[in-house]
Amino acid sequence: EAGVTQFPSHSVIEKGQTVTLRCDPISGHDNLYWYRRVMGKEIKFLLHFVKESKQDESGMPNNRFLAERTGGTYSTLKVQPAELEDSGVYFCASSPSVGRSSGNTIYFGEGSWLTVV
Amino acid sequence: GQSLEQPSEVTAVEGAIVQINCTYQTSGFYGLSWYQQHDGGAPTFLSYNALDGLEETGRFSSFLSRSDSYGYLLLQELQMKDSASYFCAVGIGGYQKVTFGTGTKLQVIP
Repeated sequence: EAGVTQFPSHSVIEKGQTVTLRCDPISGHDNLYWYRRVMGKEIKFLLHFVKESKQDESGMPNNRFLAERTGGTYSTLKVQPAELEDSGVYFCASSPSVGRSSGNTIYFGEGSWLTVV
Repeated sequence: GQSLEQPSEVTAVEGAIVQINCTYQTSGFYGLSWYQQHDGGAPTFLSYNALDGLEETGRFSSFLSRSDSYGYLLLQELQMKDSASYFCAVGIGGYQKVTFGTGTKLQVIP
C-alpha cells in the first residue's frame, strides 16, 4: 500500500512568488493534515481536513496560505505571495476515521522542503 | 488551547537507558502518542497510551498518568541510530486532530 506522498520534495522560490504543494494521502483516509516545521523547531499544526471539509484551520498563519481538498482525495497548499519566513518543511499526514481505542496514529509524508530566497 | 512541554535536548551513552518526559495541558484528551523524526525525514509513529500505565514495544516503552497530565518515553539499550528528535503528541476529540510538543533532540554518544 502506498504511503502519503508529497510533491515537490524540494522547492526554491523567490520572495513574492507562488508555490503550490501537493499531498496524496493514503487511500481511504478521511483525515488529512498539514503541518510545518521551521528550522528544527516544533511540528506546528496548520490545518485538518475531514474528507473535503476543513475541520480546523486554526494553525494557518495568514491569508497568504490557502489549502484545498477537492473531492476529498488529494490536497494542495498554496502560498501566495511567499515570504522569507515561510521557509521550512511542510508535512502532510493522513489517518483513517477510527474510534478512540485505535489511537491517534497519523502517517506522515516525507515533506516538501520550501526555501524562499 | 493545547500545550505540551518536553526537554529540548538530551544526551545519553550508547547502551544506556534514557527517559524523555512530556507534560501537557489540553481539553478533550484522547491519548498521548510518541513520534520519532530523524533529520530531514518524516515523523514516524512509535507508541500510543490511551490509559494510565506502561506500554512496551521492544526497546521502547511509553507511560501515561492522566491525573498528572504527564507521560514519558523510555528508550532502553540505546543505539546510535536512536539519535533523532522525539515528539509527544495529543489527539483532540473524535476527529483526531493531533497537536505536537516542541520535540526533544536525543543525541546518543559512544
